[in-house]
This record gives sequence, structure tokens and C-alpha cells, in this order.
Amino acid sequence: AQTVTQSQPEMSVQEAETVTLSCTYDTSESNYYLFWYKQPPSRQMILVIRQEAYKQQNATENRFSVNFQKAAKSFSLKISDSQLGDTAMYFCAFMKGGSEKLVFGKGTKLTVNP
Amino acid sequence: NAGVTQTPKFRILKIGQSMTLQCTQDMNHNYMYWYRQDPGMGLKLIYYSVGAGITDKGEVPNGYNVSRSTTEDFPLRLELAAPSQTSVYFCASSYTLGVDTQYFGPGTRLTVL
Repeated sequence: AQTVTQSQPEMSVQEAETVTLSCTYDTSESNYYLFWYKQPPSRQMILVIRQEAYKQQNATENRFSVNFQKAAKSFSLKISDSQLGDTAMYFCAFMKGGSEKLVFGKGTKLTVNP
Repeated sequence: NAGVTQTPKFRILKIGQSMTLQCTQDMNHNYMYWYRQDPGMGLKLIYYSVGAGITDKGEVPNGYNVSRSTTEDFPLRLELAAPSQTSVYFCASSYTLGVDTQYFGPGTRLTVL
């Protein structure tokens, strides 16, 4: 069974600085997808970024980028120029190709301080 | 385009009561999902559906039932509510299975006392 581990329960960063959230996963699958979801206080789960395992190039979405290390099974999220609106829980998630199931980590609570 | 909508936003139930959580999506997605999120945890899959009339169990289906009579709607039924079902429930949808991103509704916070 796949597992997703987020080793940082809480993190904080100053506005405009850069922060990196860690995620590791365990799988024997070769076809899979990785996601970072943001959950602000409103509770809505919002997709931040997605990475296909077969792609070597790291995904980027504006201020958000990932460092995907397939051999190490690591998938960290880098947030540049942090903004107050980035304050949220961030969940790393894994999905096996062709599966219905998203496997989530326990989340990292990120606070951006003014 | 409202995306995925859920009602109600909050609900308090007494032990043994029943209720239905509503979920509707307007993106013409074939696949729909129900998750629960317990405090301090990630989401766990309760049930999912691959199309109208077809549903299947996820990781934690006990105590719940679902139906899918239309593409748009995927209600979750709680029978004989128990305190262990106190959680936040999220509905999600996607166009395809196992490839496409899942889009989530705003969630329903349910408390069973």
C-alpha cells in the first residue's frame, strides 16, 4: 500500500520569503501522480500543483514549484515570495495511475507572518 | 460554473439519527468521490462513482451509503449516526479516473452528539 509522509506538522515564514514543505512517499508503482493541495481556513481543498511521475521536469505554477526526486521518492513544494494568503494547511497526495484513490499525508500547517 | 457544491455546510446530529449530505457538480465529470477528514489527518476515501448507476467502496465505507442516479449528483447517506462519524466531509469530482485532477467542494462539518 502507498503511504505519504509529511514530516513537518507546522512551519512559519515571513512575508516575501521562500519556504519549502517536505513530502516523501512509498510506492512500488511506476505510473503515478503527485499533488499538493492547499486547505485555507475556509476548508476548501484547492489544487496547488501536480506532477506526473513519468515527467522528469519539475512542475511549476507561478510562485509554486516542486522538487521531484523520483529515486528518493521525495516531492517537496517550494513557495517563493510568500504572501499572507498562502497561510493554510498543505497536503501532499499520491495517486496510482488508473486508480480512484488519492492517498493524503497528514498535512503541514503553514503560517505566513507579516 | 459553480464547480462542486455541497449542502449543508454544518450539521449537528444526535446518535442514531440519519441524514443525507448533498453533492452536485456542473462540470460534466464522470467520476465523483466522497472523503472524510478527521482532525489532524488527511482525507480518506469513503465511496466513489464512475458514472450514473455505478458506485464502489473506498477505504472507509462502513456506516455510509451512496447512490448516483444522475451525472451531476452524488449524495452520501449516513444511517444510524455514531460519534465516530464526526468529521468534515468532502465531495470531489474528476473527468477521468486515475489521471485527472480531482476538484473538491467546500466541505460539510458534521458533529454527532
